Amino acid sequence: AQSVTQPDIHITVSEGASLELRCNYSYGATPYLFWYVQSPGQGLQLLLKYFSGDTLVQGIKGFEAEFKRSQSSFNLRKPSVHWSDAAEYFCAVGPYTGRRALTFGSGTRLQVQP
Amino acid sequence: GAVVSQHPSWVICKSGTSVKIECRSLDFQATTMFWYRQFPKQSLMLMATSNEGSKATYEQGVEKDKFLINHASLTLSTLTVTSAHPEDSSFYICSAPDREETQYFGPGTRLLVL
Repeated sequence: AQSVTQPDIHITVSEGASLELRCNYSYGATPYLFWYVQSPGQGLQLLLKYFSGDTLVQGIKGFEAEFKRSQSSFNLRKPSVHWSDAAEYFCAVGPYTGRRALTFGSGTRLQVQP
Repeated sequence: GAVVSQHPSWVICKSGTSVKIECRSLDFQATTMFWYRQFPKQSLMLMATSNEGSKATYEQGVEKDKFLINHASLTLSTLTVTSAHPEDSSFYICSAPDREETQYFGPGTRLLVL
Protein backbone atom coordinates (compact mmCIF):
# COMPACT_ATOMS: atom_id res chain seq x y z
CA ALA A 1 0.00 0.00 0.00
CA GLN A 2 1.15 3.49 -0.71
CA SER A 3 2.03 5.92 2.04
CA VAL A 4 3.47 9.38 2.43
CA THR A 5 5.47 10.59 5.40
CA GLN A 6 6.03 14.21 6.27
CA PRO A 7 8.26 13.99 9.33
CA ASP A 8 7.99 17.64 10.32
CA ILE A 9 4.62 18.55 11.78
CA HIS A 10 5.50 22.17 12.36
CA ILE A 11 8.32 24.36 11.05
CA THR A 12 9.10 27.97 11.85
CA VAL A 13 11.43 30.03 9.69
CA SER A 14 12.32 33.68 9.51
CA GLU A 15 11.17 35.73 6.59
CA GLY A 16 13.85 35.71 3.92
CA ALA A 17 15.34 32.45 5.11
CA SER A 18 15.46 29.32 2.99
CA LEU A 19 12.98 26.51 3.46
CA GLU A 20 12.97 22.77 2.94
CA LEU A 21 9.97 20.59 3.70
CA ARG A 22 10.59 16.87 3.74
CA CYS A 23 8.49 14.19 2.10
CA ASN A 24 9.14 10.47 1.84
CA TYR A 25 6.89 8.08 0.03
CA SER A 26 6.27 4.39 -0.37
CA TYR A 27 4.71 3.32 -3.61
CA GLY A 28 4.70 0.06 -5.52
CA ALA A 29 4.66 1.52 -9.00
CA THR A 30 5.93 4.63 -10.69
CA PRO A 31 4.61 7.44 -8.52
CA TYR A 32 3.02 10.69 -9.50
CA LEU A 33 4.11 13.18 -6.83
CA PHE A 34 2.51 16.42 -5.79
CA TRP A 35 2.88 19.27 -3.35
CA TYR A 36 -0.21 21.21 -2.36
CA VAL A 37 -0.60 24.24 -0.11
CA GLN A 38 -3.63 24.96 2.04
CA SER A 39 -4.35 28.27 3.74
CA PRO A 40 -6.61 28.20 6.81
CA GLY A 41 -10.18 27.30 5.92
CA GLN A 42 -9.34 27.00 2.25
CA GLY A 43 -9.03 24.24 -0.31
CA LEU A 44 -5.78 22.93 -1.71
CA GLN A 45 -3.71 24.72 -4.32
CA LEU A 46 -1.29 22.76 -6.49
CA LEU A 47 2.29 23.99 -6.11
CA LEU A 48 4.00 21.49 -8.39
CA LYS A 49 3.95 17.93 -9.65
CA TYR A 50 6.37 15.31 -10.89
CA PHE A 51 6.03 12.18 -12.93
CA SER A 52 9.09 11.86 -15.11
CA GLY A 53 11.88 13.82 -16.71
CA ASP A 54 14.02 16.34 -14.92
CA THR A 55 14.09 15.43 -11.25
CA LEU A 56 14.13 19.08 -10.21
CA VAL A 57 10.66 20.50 -10.69
CA GLN A 58 9.77 24.16 -10.65
CA GLY A 59 6.41 25.25 -9.31
CA ILE A 60 4.44 28.36 -8.59
CA LYS A 61 5.32 31.01 -6.00
CA GLY A 62 9.04 30.29 -6.30
CA PHE A 63 8.86 26.73 -4.97
CA GLU A 64 10.78 23.80 -6.34
CA ALA A 65 11.02 20.14 -5.45
CA GLU A 66 13.58 17.46 -6.13
CA PHE A 67 12.69 13.83 -6.76
CA LYS A 68 15.27 11.38 -5.44
CA ARG A 69 14.30 7.84 -6.31
CA SER A 70 17.11 6.28 -4.28
CA GLN A 71 15.84 8.00 -1.16
CA SER A 72 12.12 7.81 -2.02
CA SER A 73 11.95 11.50 -1.32
CA PHE A 74 10.34 14.53 -2.87
CA ASN A 75 11.40 17.49 -0.76
CA LEU A 76 10.00 20.96 -1.31
CA ARG A 77 12.30 23.97 -1.24
CA LYS A 78 12.17 27.72 -1.48
CA PRO A 79 15.27 29.93 -1.34
CA SER A 80 13.63 32.88 0.40
CA VAL A 81 10.41 32.59 2.35
CA HIS A 82 7.79 35.33 2.40
CA TRP A 83 5.31 35.95 5.21
CA SER A 84 2.50 34.98 2.84
CA ASP A 85 3.95 31.47 2.58
CA ALA A 86 2.66 30.64 6.06
CA ALA A 87 0.23 27.78 5.49
CA GLU A 88 -0.15 24.00 5.64
CA TYR A 89 1.78 22.03 3.06
CA PHE A 90 0.79 18.56 1.91
CA CYS A 91 2.82 16.07 -0.07
CA ALA A 92 0.77 13.52 -2.00
CA VAL A 93 1.36 10.48 -4.17
CA GLY A 94 -0.87 8.90 -6.73
CA PRO A 95 -0.90 6.65 -9.75
CA TYR A 96 -0.21 8.16 -13.13
CA THR A 97 -3.18 6.45 -14.66
CA GLY A 98 -6.40 4.93 -13.54
CA ARG A 99 -7.98 8.07 -12.13
CA ARG A 100 -7.33 7.01 -8.57
CA ALA A 101 -7.35 9.28 -5.57
CA LEU A 102 -4.23 10.69 -4.00
CA THR A 103 -2.68 9.58 -0.74
CA PHE A 104 -1.68 12.50 1.40
CA GLY A 105 0.95 12.99 4.02
CA SER A 106 -0.04 14.37 7.39
CA GLY A 107 1.02 17.87 6.43
CA THR A 108 3.60 20.38 7.64
CA ARG A 109 2.47 23.65 9.12
CA LEU A 110 4.79 26.50 8.21
CA GLN A 111 5.06 29.59 10.35
CA VAL A 112 7.03 32.59 9.16
CA GLN A 113 8.57 34.95 11.67
CA PRO A 114 9.06 38.60 10.73
CA GLY B 1 -5.03 25.44 -14.13
CA ALA B 2 -8.45 23.88 -14.03
CA VAL B 3 -11.08 25.12 -11.61
CA VAL B 4 -13.27 23.12 -9.28
CA SER B 5 -16.01 24.80 -7.29
CA GLN B 6 -17.98 23.70 -4.27
CA HIS B 7 -21.26 24.92 -2.91
CA PRO B 8 -22.01 25.87 -0.25
CA SER B 9 -18.74 27.01 1.27
CA TRP B 10 -20.14 26.55 4.74
CA VAL B 11 -23.34 25.24 6.23
CA ILE B 12 -24.83 25.00 9.71
CA CYS B 13 -27.66 22.58 10.25
CA LYS B 14 -29.61 20.92 13.02
CA SER B 15 -28.96 17.34 13.99
CA GLY B 16 -31.12 14.96 11.98
CA THR B 17 -31.35 17.04 8.85
CA SER B 18 -29.72 16.28 5.51
CA VAL B 19 -27.19 18.47 3.77
CA LYS B 20 -26.24 18.44 0.09
CA ILE B 21 -22.82 19.60 -1.10
CA GLU B 22 -22.13 20.22 -4.77
CA CYS B 23 -18.81 19.82 -6.55
CA ARG B 24 -18.43 21.19 -10.07
CA SER B 25 -15.60 21.13 -12.58
CA LEU B 26 -15.95 24.50 -14.26
CA ASP B 27 -13.78 24.25 -17.34
CA PHE B 28 -13.27 20.55 -17.91
CA GLN B 29 -15.18 17.32 -17.79
CA ALA B 30 -14.58 14.82 -15.04
CA THR B 31 -15.86 11.28 -15.25
CA THR B 32 -14.37 10.72 -11.82
CA MET B 33 -14.40 12.95 -8.77
CA PHE B 34 -13.19 12.30 -5.27
CA TRP B 35 -14.61 13.29 -1.92
CA TYR B 36 -12.31 13.82 1.03
CA ARG B 37 -12.90 14.68 4.63
CA GLN B 38 -10.54 16.73 6.75
CA PHE B 39 -10.68 17.08 10.51
CA PRO B 40 -9.05 20.08 12.19
CA LYS B 41 -5.29 20.04 11.95
CA GLN B 42 -5.33 16.71 10.14
CA SER B 43 -4.74 15.51 6.63
CA LEU B 44 -7.27 14.67 3.97
CA MET B 45 -8.85 11.26 4.14
CA LEU B 46 -10.52 9.82 1.08
CA MET B 47 -14.19 9.02 1.62
CA ALA B 48 -15.35 7.88 -1.78
CA THR B 49 -14.82 7.95 -5.50
CA SER B 50 -17.67 9.38 -7.52
CA ASN B 51 -18.13 7.86 -10.97
CA GLU B 52 -20.26 9.43 -13.66
CA GLY B 53 -22.96 7.02 -14.74
CA SER B 54 -22.27 4.40 -12.10
CA LYS B 55 -22.27 3.84 -8.37
CA ALA B 56 -19.76 5.51 -6.15
CA THR B 57 -16.97 3.52 -4.56
CA TYR B 58 -16.65 4.01 -0.81
CA GLU B 59 -13.58 3.61 1.34
CA GLN B 60 -13.58 1.17 4.18
CA GLY B 61 -15.44 2.51 7.18
CA VAL B 62 -17.47 5.09 5.26
CA GLU B 63 -21.22 4.48 5.44
CA LYS B 64 -22.63 4.64 1.95
CA ASP B 65 -26.18 5.08 3.21
CA LYS B 66 -25.12 8.08 5.23
CA PHE B 67 -22.97 9.76 2.63
CA LEU B 68 -24.92 9.57 -0.60
CA ILE B 69 -23.02 10.41 -3.74
CA ASN B 70 -24.54 11.18 -7.11
CA HIS B 71 -22.47 11.96 -10.19
CA ALA B 72 -25.22 13.49 -12.26
CA SER B 73 -23.15 14.77 -15.16
CA LEU B 74 -19.60 15.10 -16.39
CA THR B 75 -19.22 18.32 -14.42
CA LEU B 76 -21.23 17.73 -11.25
CA SER B 77 -20.99 15.42 -8.28
CA THR B 78 -23.05 15.82 -5.12
CA LEU B 79 -22.46 14.53 -1.61
CA THR B 80 -25.49 14.34 0.66
CA VAL B 81 -24.93 13.86 4.35
CA THR B 82 -28.13 12.22 5.53
CA SER B 83 -29.45 12.57 9.05
CA ALA B 84 -26.44 14.58 10.04
CA HIS B 85 -25.10 14.41 13.57
CA PRO B 86 -22.51 16.53 15.38
CA GLU B 87 -19.79 13.97 14.68
CA ASP B 88 -20.32 14.61 10.96
CA SER B 89 -19.09 18.16 11.43
CA SER B 90 -15.99 18.49 9.32
CA PHE B 91 -14.40 20.08 6.27
CA TYR B 92 -15.41 18.29 3.09
CA ILE B 93 -13.28 18.73 -0.03
CA CYS B 94 -13.81 17.37 -3.51
CA SER B 95 -11.30 16.96 -6.29
CA ALA B 96 -11.39 16.14 -9.97
CA PRO B 97 -8.58 15.02 -12.27
CA ASP B 98 -8.13 16.74 -15.58
CA ARG B 99 -7.10 14.99 -18.79
CA GLU B 100 -3.49 14.99 -17.64
CA GLU B 101 -4.45 13.27 -14.39
CA THR B 102 -3.60 16.30 -12.29
CA GLN B 103 -6.11 16.62 -9.48
CA TYR B 104 -7.68 19.97 -8.78
CA PHE B 105 -9.40 20.60 -5.50
CA GLY B 106 -12.47 22.56 -4.62
CA PRO B 107 -12.33 25.25 -1.93
CA GLY B 108 -14.04 22.96 0.56
CA THR B 109 -17.31 23.01 2.49
CA ARG B 110 -17.32 23.44 6.22
CA LEU B 111 -20.22 21.61 7.84
CA LEU B 112 -21.29 22.29 11.40
CA VAL B 113 -24.06 20.12 12.82
CA LEU B 114 -25.66 21.46 15.97
